[in-house]
Amino acid sequence: AQTVTQSQPEMSVQEAETVTLSCTYDTSESDYYLFWYKQPPSRQMILVIRQEAYKQQNATENRFSVNFQKAAKSFSLKISDSQLGDAAMYFCAYNRGSEKLVFGKGTKLTVNP
Amino acid sequence: DTGVSQDPRHKITKRGQNVTFRCDPISEHNRLYWYRQTLGQGPEFLTYFQNEAQLEKSRLLSNRFSAERPKGSFSTLEIQRTEQGDSAMYLCASSLGPGTGRYEQYFGPGTRLTVT
Repeated sequence: AQTVTQSQPEMSVQEAETVTLSCTYDTSESDYYLFWYKQPPSRQMILVIRQEAYKQQNATENRFSVNFQKAAKSFSLKISDSQLGDAAMYFCAYNRGSEKLVFGKGTKLTVNP
Repeated sequence: DTGVSQDPRHKITKRGQNVTFRCDPISEHNRLYWYRQTLGQGPEFLTYFQNEAQLEKSRLLSNRFSAERPKGSFSTLEIQRTEQGDSAMYLCASSLGPGTGRYEQYFGPGTRLTVT
């Protein structure tokens, strides 16, 4: 069974600084997709970024970028120029296309002014 | 383009009662998913549909839980004889179907269930 591990229960960053959230996963599949979702307090889950396993190029969405290391089964999220609105739970997730998502336990990110 | 909606947003019920939740997906999305999230945890998969067909159910889904998507549009999740352990946030998500290359799932705001 596929598993997703987020080893950092909590992280903090100063406003305008950069922070990296870690994620590792385990799968025997060669074709799959990875995602980072953001869940602000008492608000709904929002997709931050996605990565197709067959693409070598790391995905980027504005201030958010990933470091995808397929052989190491690692998928970290880098947030640049952190803003107060980035404070949230961040979940790493995996699926094989349009099937169920498997989530990690999440990392709580605090942004300090 | 409206997002995924869920109703009700909050439900308080007494142990032993039945509850039903509704999810309306994004209109062009063929796939609809149900997840359960407890405090401090990531969402756990419950079941999903391709149009009206239920394709997979988690072993977490006891026989007290039933879900349907009768016309391939909205879906309902029913919990019979609720237990205190059913207290959680129930999340619905939708996505385009296979072959589209777009597999990201979009989530609704969730239904928070409290069983007293």
